[in-house]
Amino acid sequence: GQNIDQPTEMTATEGAIVQINCTYQTSGFNGLFWYQQHAGEAPTFLSYNVLDGLEEKGRFSSFLSRSKGYSYLLLKELQMKDSASYLCAVRSLALTGANNLFFGTGTRLTVIP
Amino acid sequence: DTGVSQDPRHKITKRGQNVTFRCDPISEHNRLYWYRQTLGQGPEFLTYFQNEAQLEKSRLLSDRFSAERPKGSFSTLEIQRTEQGDSAMYLCASSSTVDTQYFGPGTRLTVL
Repeated sequence: GQNIDQPTEMTATEGAIVQINCTYQTSGFNGLFWYQQHAGEAPTFLSYNVLDGLEEKGRFSSFLSRSKGYSYLLLKELQMKDSASYLCAVRSLALTGANNLFFGTGTRLTVIP
Repeated sequence: DTGVSQDPRHKITKRGQNVTFRCDPISEHNRLYWYRQTLGQGPEFLTYFQNEAQLEKSRLLSDRFSAERPKGSFSTLEIQRTEQGDSAMYLCASSSTVDTQYFGPGTRLTVL
């Protein structure tokens, strides 16, 4: 089966750096995704890691350690518009090759002035 | 075509009625996924199509739910005899081969 854990809520200050952690247990691991979701909207893709290490994309970076079943999303120079839920999702290679995504419950980030 | 589209965006129905949702994926994407999301939770996988073939169905997909993708392009998700527990956001996503899944805006279903 699959299990994904991430904090329910976090608060950070505008201009600061925040790290959102995600731990997972899954069979057939085939990549870890981070999505951003504003209230009432669809998830939008942020980053993807399949190998260990850090992937940087502008103000957002994501790290993966497959041996530890651990990832984090790092947001730098926080802006008010970054207030959203951040979803950690693990891709699992099913027998059908479906590469289904299994999502955590999401971390609701509130950026304060 | 700039992204995945879904119709309708909102649906209110009475318990026991049937509802049907439509998803139009990104045109060159051959893989299509349906998810359900309730408040405060992450999306939960429902079913997956590769072209017109439905290759995976979650145990969450009871026999009241059926999905089709007749020509390998758009897909429909039908819920028969709706129950209040079916109230949720129904999300569609598409991808090419094993690439990133891109989500549509979702259909919010409210069952009264």
